Amino acid sequence: SQQGEEDPQALSIQEGENATMNCSYKTSINNLQWYRQNSGRGLVHLILIRSNEREKHSGRLRVTLDTSKKSSSLLITASRAADTASYFCATAPTSGTYKYIFGTGTRLKVLA
Amino acid sequence: DTGVSQDPRHKITKRGQNVTFRCDPISEHNRLYWYRQTLGQGPEFLTYFQNEAQLEKSRLLSDRFSAERPKGSFSTLEIQRTEQGDSAMYLCASRNLAGAWETQYFGPGTRLLVL
Repeated sequence: SQQGEEDPQALSIQEGENATMNCSYKTSINNLQWYRQNSGRGLVHLILIRSNEREKHSGRLRVTLDTSKKSSSLLITASRAADTASYFCATAPTSGTYKYIFGTGTRLKVLA
Repeated sequence: DTGVSQDPRHKITKRGQNVTFRCDPISEHNRLYWYRQTLGQGPEFLTYFQNEAQLEKSRLLSDRFSAERPKGSFSTLEIQRTEQGDSAMYLCASRNLAGAWETQYFGPGTRLLVL
């Protein structure tokens, strides 16, 4: 499979707790993006981190990128029930293709 | 609404029938992608257009699949002689030319069920 891997596959936490999910990928990248998908819906872009960046913040989201380990993490702080969704990372390879490669996703459930 | 739109949102068809889906990207976006997503998986790339040119196709895109973007605006994805394995969500995304790799904006998807 060309897809990246996300870990864990599923995560259940209480409202107010932090949620961390990880993404590993296989090729050299230009950037890595995180998306959220509510059940049965389209994907919503959350944050983009470029290959020369190590950390990025957006509201309650914090993303890190370690290109030497080919991995990224997404931290959602102070989670809310509305954060319940699937989260996917997508990588943009450096060469040879126009496509974005998505991970298998982490299904997050935030309990009220 | 200025987002990406897809039509229809749901399609149920019998095996062997042909189906066609439409995607209308954000108006100033010249790059358009089609993906397929099965239950519990991430989206898998099918094909990519820059304006009206189809620049890349996945090996997933068998000869029963064809995509067009005739005027560089909307796009259609046709599946001929559908099979039960074609049942999936078909997602369209668009982005503009600014920057080498930038954010994609996704439509709501077309959910296909082949009986």
